[in-house]
Amino acid sequence: GENVEQHPSTLSVQEGDSAVIKCTYSDSASNYFPWYKQELGKGPQLIIDIRSNVGEKKDQRIAVTLNKTAKHFSLHITETQPEDSAVYFCAAKLSGGGADGLTFGKGTHLIIQP
Amino acid sequence: NAGVTQTPKFQVLKTGQSMTLQCAQDMNHNSMYWYRQDPGMGLRLIYYSASEGTTDKGEVPNGYNVSRLNKREFSLRLESAAPSQTSVYFCASSDYDRDGGYTFGSGTRLTVV
Repeated sequence: GENVEQHPSTLSVQEGDSAVIKCTYSDSASNYFPWYKQELGKGPQLIIDIRSNVGEKKDQRIAVTLNKTAKHFSLHITETQPEDSAVYFCAAKLSGGGADGLTFGKGTHLIIQP
Repeated sequence: NAGVTQTPKFQVLKTGQSMTLQCAQDMNHNSMYWYRQDPGMGLRLIYYSASEGTTDKGEVPNGYNVSRLNKREFSLRLESAAPSQTSVYFCASSDYDRDGGYTFGSGTRLTVV
């Protein structure tokens, strides 16, 4: 099955700086890569996703890049703000993997220092 | 636009007691999931239901049972709670046929003493 590794487990950045979270996946058949943000006491919320036919996707201060050859994808947050503090999860889904095909990384706790 | 609704939000059980966690979605999604979240372990799949009438085991099914009551509702039952089942439980739904992301509920924080 698919295996997703996520780094770092904790990331502390100064407000206004950029943050980058990286994930690698094992199965080249994976074709869908979502990112989730989980605020304290809440459920994970989808913030951005990318499919294997696209190399980069942006949504305001958030961007995701995908390198299919190296089998890794990254989340980039620019001009970080206090409300960006949260736990972020990456995930990968196997093409045709069925209903259980989404595999999650173990999460990154992003801390924005004022 | 409720999305995925979980009840209860908090629960304390004594070892050996039973309880059912309820989940309902109003997005007409085919697939529903139960995850548990423990510190440092990420999200681990307990059971899932690809469509109404079907259920399958995930990564950590021992000690749990599920029921897909209809397309909207998917419940998780602990028959005899153990301290190792202390966790935060999340229900999610998706329309996996279209490779969509998951929508999560707000979670149930369960403590077994």
